[in-house]
Amino acid sequence: AQSVTQPDIHITVSEGASLELRCNYSYGATPYLFWYVQSPGQGLQLLLKYFSGDTLVQGIKGFEAEFKRSQSSFNLRKPSVHWSDAAEYFCAVGDLGGADGLTFGKGTHLIIQP
Amino acid sequence: DAGVIQSPRHEVTEMGQEVTLRCKPISGHNSLFWYRQTMMRGLELLIYFNNNVPIDDSGMPEDRFSAKMPNASFSTLKIQPSEPRDSAVYFCASKDRPNTEAFFGQGTRLTVV
Repeated sequence: AQSVTQPDIHITVSEGASLELRCNYSYGATPYLFWYVQSPGQGLQLLLKYFSGDTLVQGIKGFEAEFKRSQSSFNLRKPSVHWSDAAEYFCAVGDLGGADGLTFGKGTHLIIQP
Repeated sequence: DAGVIQSPRHEVTEMGQEVTLRCKPISGHNSLFWYRQTMMRGLELLIYFNNNVPIDDSGMPEDRFSAKMPNASFSTLKIQPSEPRDSAVYFCASKDRPNTEAFFGQGTRLTVV
């Protein structure tokens, strides 16, 4: 069965500093990968996705992620965070060509310090 | 498009009562998903439909839970009878084709007292 691990439950970053959120997946076939963001009381909004091709993908709000097959990782990065980036971030994996539901990690809560 | 619409946004009910959550997917999307979010278990896929047909309901926790999709623009998730441990945020999501991203509604926060 596929699984997603986000090892950091909480991360605190100063405004303007760089950010990296970790995501590791366990999956036997070809995965497709997502990062979603959830603001308090809201649904999940897609930040970016990876299906194939270039392993560095660009998303909305200045986020990017890099797929590393050898490390089974799909870490999310942003060079300079803004206070509005404070939210819960979820990594998810799906089965390319197979069952259609996504498996989510437990999430990382991002706190921005002024 | 207004996105995925869920109702109600909040529901408080007493243990033993029937609860019905509703979802309207994005027009033209033919896959619909129900997820449950709790602090302990995170986001769990309960069931999903393709072209109104349930494909995988292995995530439905027990027989008290049921889901229907009578047409392409409406789905319900019913809990009968409800229990306090069912308290969670329930999300509906839809997508227009396989191997693409799902679009999420704003969720229904259910509290069973």
